Amino acid sequence: QVQLQESGPGLVKPSETLSLTCTVSGGSISSYYWSWIRQPPGKGLEWIGYIYYSGSTNYNPSLKSRVTISVDTSKNQFSLKLSSVTAADTAVYYCARHRLAARLHYMDVWGKGTTVTVSS
Amino acid sequence: DIQMTQSPSSLSASVGDRVTITCQASQDISNYLNWYQQKPGKAPKLLIYDASNLETGVPSRFSGSGSGTDFTFTISSLQPEDIATYYCQQYDNLPPGLYTFGQGTKLEIK
Repeated sequence: QVQLQESGPGLVKPSETLSLTCTVSGGSISSYYWSWIRQPPGKGLEWIGYIYYSGSTNYNPSLKSRVTISVDTSKNQFSLKLSSVTAADTAVYYCARHRLAARLHYMDVWGKGTTVTVSS
Repeated sequence: DIQMTQSPSSLSASVGDRVTITCQASQDISNYLNWYQQKPGKAPKLLIYDASNLETGVPSRFSGSGSGTDFTFTISSLQPEDIATYYCQQYDNLPPGLYTFGQGTKLEIK
């Protein structure tokens, strides 16, 4: 049973870079796509972007200029960096396995989420 | 960008009721529509993919239908454990591809 666990600082200062890691256990990171999704307090879900285990990426255009997603297959991890953060980036950040094929475009396994607050 | 309109934003129903939630896309998205359940303080859980396919392990009282621009999610007989917020999620296949969620429907027991 694949499980995902997010980790990283819970507090980030404005203008700095938010950095999170998702560790995949119970299965290999290879042959799958992996996504980051966030949810501001009391609001809905926003897809941030995904990465394939080979390193190819696709980002939400609304965040593309500030987002970098990377993968480390040797550690079975993938990571999110979001630069120049503001209070609007305060959210619960989820990592998820992203099923992507001809007719499949969904996230079927999710981490529990980690809360990141942007504040000085 | 394709806009998704999910309704209603909140819903109150009794145990045993049939519950229906809709999502409408601003343009044809074929069957690229999924449904998730999110309980308070928990991560979303995939229930329905490709508009009408039930994810493994999900009770059969949950179902989805539709194609093109209009989609429906149904709980045939509401159970107390179904209290949650439900989200639709669509895929815009204009390269490189974009995934967006509906605004959510908060379901409560009457």
